[in-house]
Parts: sequence; structure tokens; C-alpha cells
Amino acid sequence: DIQMTQSPSSLSASVGDRVTLTCQASQDIDNYCNWYQQKPGKAPKLLISDASNLETGVPSRFSGSRSGTHFTFTISSLQPEDIATYFCQQYDNLPYTFGQGTKLEIK
Amino acid sequence: EVQLVQSGAEVKKPGESLRIFCKGSGYSFTNSWINWVRQMPGKGLEWMGRIDPSDSHTNYSPSLQGHVTISADKSINTAYLQWRSLKASDTAMYYCAYSPEGPFDYWGQGTLVTVSS
Repeated sequence: DIQMTQSPSSLSASVGDRVTLTCQASQDIDNYCNWYQQKPGKAPKLLISDASNLETGVPSRFSGSRSGTHFTFTISSLQPEDIATYFCQQYDNLPYTFGQGTKLEIK
Repeated sequence: EVQLVQSGAEVKKPGESLRIFCKGSGYSFTNSWINWVRQMPGKGLEWMGRIDPSDSHTNYSPSLQGHVTISADKSINTAYLQWRSLKASDTAMYYCAYSPEGPFDYWGQGTLVTVSS
């Protein structure tokens, strides 16, 4: 199975801060990395597909990038409504696998 | 509008059987895969498997194969996740997710399954 090592597991930041999360794939997955946001008691929501494609309707403060097997998710200016847990996912190979998640809190 | 509606919460005893469902609407149900994702209490997301409703071809996570069965009835736009013998460790929220081109674009609201004696 492909491992997606996500860090940090939790993060506390202030409104307006730039926030960066990372996922390291255990092998080459090309661009097949997605990022999801999950708010408490809700289903996950797809924010970024294929490493850097912003889904329709998702605010432009969210972005993603890739460098080899290293994937980065960035919120350029943290807003109160961004409080959630974020997961990366690879869909290059079955079984699809998710990172462990990053719980984002407001400082 | 694409919608996935899942069945309601279940409380079961160990050893009991269960089938939960995911009903799709607003798109051609046989277009692409329906995935099932498990989230144990306070934990992350785990892909369980998927089904192509057009021909009922399935793929399973090796860690779960043999313990669950994924099926579909395309005549009523519904996918199922089934257990023959539940364990306490099956207690979790279960989500279905539709992936027309790979990423999980659309998700059901989740079905909470509680297994307790």
C-alpha cells in the first residue's frame, strides 16, 4: 500500500496567518493527490484535486502544489470558518489511502 | 444536483448482520464508481472499497476483504455495504462517495453504525 505521511497532526494558528500542511507519499503517485476538509459532524469535502486544481466554489485562499512525492496544501490567510481537519489522499494505486489528518485550530 | 443519501444510524449486537445503503440521484448512477469510506470514532479516513454500478465490479481494501460485501442495484440507483457478522470494532461512521473522475467529488451524509453488546 502507498503510505501518505501527513504533517503536522495538529496546528494552532491565528486568523490571517498563512498555514501550510504537507503530505509525503511513499512512492511516486504523479499528481494523484487530493485534499479534503472535514468539519465536525460533517462529511469530508473535496477542496483540491490532482495536487493543485482548486475545485469550483472553493475560495482562492486555498491552494496545493507538488514537488516530486511531496505535496503541500496552503491556506494563504486563515479564516475562522477554516477550522476543520484536513486530509490528503492518493488515488494513483489501489487501495486508495489517506493521510492521518491535520486538525487545524484557531489560536 | 448530485446527491447521495445514506440510510440511518444503526445499533447492533456483535454477531448480527447489517446492510446499509447509499442512494444516488442527479446523475447517471452507472457512470462511475461508488466508494465506501470508514471513519472510526475520533480517527481518520479509511477507504474500504468501491463498486462500478454498471457491472457490479468491485475492489476491496485488502485489510477488509472478506469481512464486508459491497453491492449495487442499478435499477434503483443504490449501493450497499453489508456485514454478515458484526464486531465491536466495526463501530464507525461510514460514508459513500462518488468519484466520476477519481477524486471523491460527492459524499453521502454518513451512516453511524454502533456495535455493542
